[in-house]
Amino acid sequence: GAVVSQHPSWVICKSGTSVKIECRSLDFQATTMFWYRQFPKQSLMLMATSNEGSKATYEQGVEKDKFLINHASLTLSTLTVTSAHPEDSSFYICSARDQRTGNTEAFFGQGTRLTVV
Amino acid sequence: GEDVEQSLFLSVREGDSSVINCTYTDSSSTYLYWYKQEPGAGLQLLTYIFSNMDMKQDQRLTVLLNKKDKHLSLRIADTQTGDSAIYFCAETFSSGSARQLTFGSGTQLTVLP
Repeated sequence: GAVVSQHPSWVICKSGTSVKIECRSLDFQATTMFWYRQFPKQSLMLMATSNEGSKATYEQGVEKDKFLINHASLTLSTLTVTSAHPEDSSFYICSARDQRTGNTEAFFGQGTRLTVV
Repeated sequence: GEDVEQSLFLSVREGDSSVINCTYTDSSSTYLYWYKQEPGAGLQLLTYIFSNMDMKQDQRLTVLLNKKDKHLSLRIADTQTGDSAIYFCAETFSSGSARQLTFGSGTQLTVLP
């Protein structure tokens, strides 16, 4: 299957700082990528839909100024957690659909474990 | 709204078959997926089924779909310890759109030696 790569795999940052997470589709182009958040022992909750060349669409309750999304190319979307606080600590996962398969299959990155201290 | 439900835990003996069940409420679901998540890792797509299919088999995996009852199941034959993970079912409306997936809560599969 297609490969989606996230970087970094884990990050520890101080409260008040900003952290950028990258999501790359390595062998396919994706006009749309999705960002999810997963709390321990829980399912994935969609945060936002990242659209190449336009603004992201945020789910209800997700602060767009807090979680900045940029999708500048067909293979890269970034999520920046601004002024991070301990409650932002979570597992963040991105996914992208392979347009070659008609958007049927959604592939996921390996996730980024964010810990804010 | 959409809702996808799974039982939280399942334990089986190595070599037995595992059956993980999922129910969904959105009758317009087009594709239904099964993902595997190992500890600290992302999601691995195992298989998916189009809503006009009743069954799909891929090696040790068999997916059954009862569209009338909105029930999806994943059967893993000859379950191995490496199959221990969390399994998520997910649904989406249309493959042509970029609509996001809606996930179930996940089923923790534990394979006992």
